[in-house]
Amino acid sequence: GQNIDQPTEMTATEGAIVQINCTYQTSGFNGLFWYQQHAGEAPTFLSYNVLDGLEEKGRFSSFLSRSKGYSYLLLKELQMKDSASYLCAVKDSNYQLIWGAGTKLIIKP
Amino acid sequence: GAVVSQHPSWVICKSGTSVKIECRSLDFQATTMFWYRQFPKQSLMLMATSNEGSKATYEQGVEKDKFLINHASLTLSTLTVTSAHPEDSSFYICSATRTSGESSEQYFGPGTRLTVT
Repeated sequence: GQNIDQPTEMTATEGAIVQINCTYQTSGFNGLFWYQQHAGEAPTFLSYNVLDGLEEKGRFSSFLSRSKGYSYLLLKELQMKDSASYLCAVKDSNYQLIWGAGTKLIIKP
Repeated sequence: GAVVSQHPSWVICKSGTSVKIECRSLDFQATTMFWYRQFPKQSLMLMATSNEGSKATYEQGVEKDKFLINHASLTLSTLTVTSAHPEDSSFYICSATRTSGESSEQYFGPGTRLTVT
């Protein structure tokens, strides 16, 4: 079967750095997405990785290792508004998005 | 940009009635549109994938006769929840892609919160 694993919940302090991990087992791989979702709102796109390595975009970076079936989302200089759920999603060989359950990130002052 | 709108943003209906939710891509033509359902504190669950002019592909366990999807144009898809029941109360989200293929990002609408009383 296809599976995406993420921690259910994480807590971090304002101004700090947090890394949210995602491991996947899918039938084929055609890219990995990270989305942010605030409570009661739709997801918004954060990043896309299809090749191994680190993609940096401002305070957010995303890393991919295809051989390990592993990705992480790194958030720096955390702000209170970063409190949200972070969803990892992988496109399989049929280009269908397989979604993780999401990681709820709680930022404390 | 790539903006997707949904209407209505929230709706309350009585059990047994039908509700139609619209999803529009405002500034691009959407090759494919997706309908998701999300229950509180749970992840997105894909309900169906629709391509303009063809029948939607429903995920396993989703009743196609209950959740009617029409994708009549490249900018509009509708989801009709027929004979709604309280257990259909959920957050319904649509998304759209500009192109098909590996790097096609999904642009999400703001979601529609359905409450069935």
